[in-house]
Amino acid sequence: GAVVSQHPSRVICKSGTSVKIECRSLDFQATTMFWYRQFPKQSLMLMATSNEGSKATYEQGVEKDKFLINHASLTLSTLTVTSAHPEDSSFYICSTYGTNTEAFFGQGTRLTVV
Amino acid sequence: AQTVTQSQPEMSVQEAETVTLSCTYDTSESNYYLFWYKQPPSRQMILVIRQEAYKQQNATENRFSVNFQKAAKSFSLKISDSQLGDTAMYFCALRSGGSNYKLTFGKGTLLTVNP
Repeated sequence: GAVVSQHPSRVICKSGTSVKIECRSLDFQATTMFWYRQFPKQSLMLMATSNEGSKATYEQGVEKDKFLINHASLTLSTLTVTSAHPEDSSFYICSTYGTNTEAFFGQGTRLTVV
Repeated sequence: AQTVTQSQPEMSVQEAETVTLSCTYDTSESNYYLFWYKQPPSRQMILVIRQEAYKQQNATENRFSVNFQKAAKSFSLKISDSQLGDTAMYFCALRSGGSNYKLTFGKGTLLTVNP
């Protein structure tokens, strides 16, 4: 079936640096990519929606200058956490849709900012 | 706005027994989809079962079945013959039927299957 490949699975970075998370759709075109953040033992919180070739739409309260999303091609969407701080430490998940109504999720990225 | 409510933060069940997870939702749309996702310790989201709102018949997938009560806006998940591998966080989710593919998730229910 359709697969979304998300990398890296884990990353540790120093406070003040930037981290890029990639999500690739394998064998299908991902026109839209959703980016979620998940705190421990909590639900998925939608951060933003990206569409190929256009600017991302951010949910209320999400800083677009901190969480830069790029969706330059139909198979790749990236989330860059800029000037990361410890409070940005979290689990980030991407998701997209194939040809039907089923959502496909990346494996997730555990970000730790030290 | 769409909302999804899971009122059971945690549940446990003995292996081989049956357990039901509750979910209620609210939407003003007439066409929508409902899902149950499983998130095991690996944290990979896995689709368990889905239900189209226009279908009256309850969806089933092997040991998993739903009780979809459209008028009551209720969408519970029944797991039969529970297995240790069913231990996971379960999320109920709602999506509108239009071109907006945004999912609204409930807060989740942590299910533990005991040997």
